[in-house]
Amino acid sequence: AQSVSQHNHHVILSEAASLELGCNYSYGGTVNLFWYVQYPGQHLQLLLKYFSGDPLVKGIKGFEAEFIKSKFSFNLRKPSVQWSDTAEYFCAVSSKTSYDKVIFGPGTSLSVIP
Amino acid sequence: NAGVTQTPKFQVLKTGQSMTLQCAQDMNHEYMSWYRQDPGMGLRLIHYSVGAGITDQGEVPNGYNVSRSTTEDFPLRLLSAAPSQTSVYFCASKQFRDRGYTQYFGPGTRLTVL
Repeated sequence: AQSVSQHNHHVILSEAASLELGCNYSYGGTVNLFWYVQYPGQHLQLLLKYFSGDPLVKGIKGFEAEFIKSKFSFNLRKPSVQWSDTAEYFCAVSSKTSYDKVIFGPGTSLSVIP
Repeated sequence: NAGVTQTPKFQVLKTGQSMTLQCAQDMNHEYMSWYRQDPGMGLRLIHYSVGAGITDQGEVPNGYNVSRSTTEDFPLRLLSAAPSQTSVYFCASKQFRDRGYTQYFGPGTRLTVL
């Protein structure tokens, strides 16, 4: 069955600390990968996406993610977090052969302490 | 463009009542979907549609019906609400045939079933 797992349920960091959020997927065939962010009280927004090419993708607000095919992983990173990065982060995956379903992970809640 | 709009924003139902959550998009997107968001479970796909007249089930379709009579609208119907359907519901849309698609989310409907 298709699934997405995220390593941490809740992460607490101080400002300027580095961030890495883990994401692993189980999905037959080749995939497209996404990270979405949901700020408090707001709806989901796309942070970045991987379709093909360079496995290191850069997104908005200084975020980047690395696709490691052998590990079925797509971890999200940011070198220095800010208080405004406090949000919930969701990893998602869809099949390249079918754009129909986008499956989300359970989410990681990030709290950044000033 | 208004993007993806959802109504109502909040709703309280009694067990057994029926209601329809409305979703509309003005971007001429072929693909539309409904998710529910529950704490610790991320977003789970309920139903989706790849075009007018075409719908399919997602991960958690039981208790929900959908139809897609126009490109713009994709209502979600609860025929007999149950407390387990208390959740936040998000509608999303994307361009289906463009591989560079981004999925756009609506602001959500918070539903409580007593």
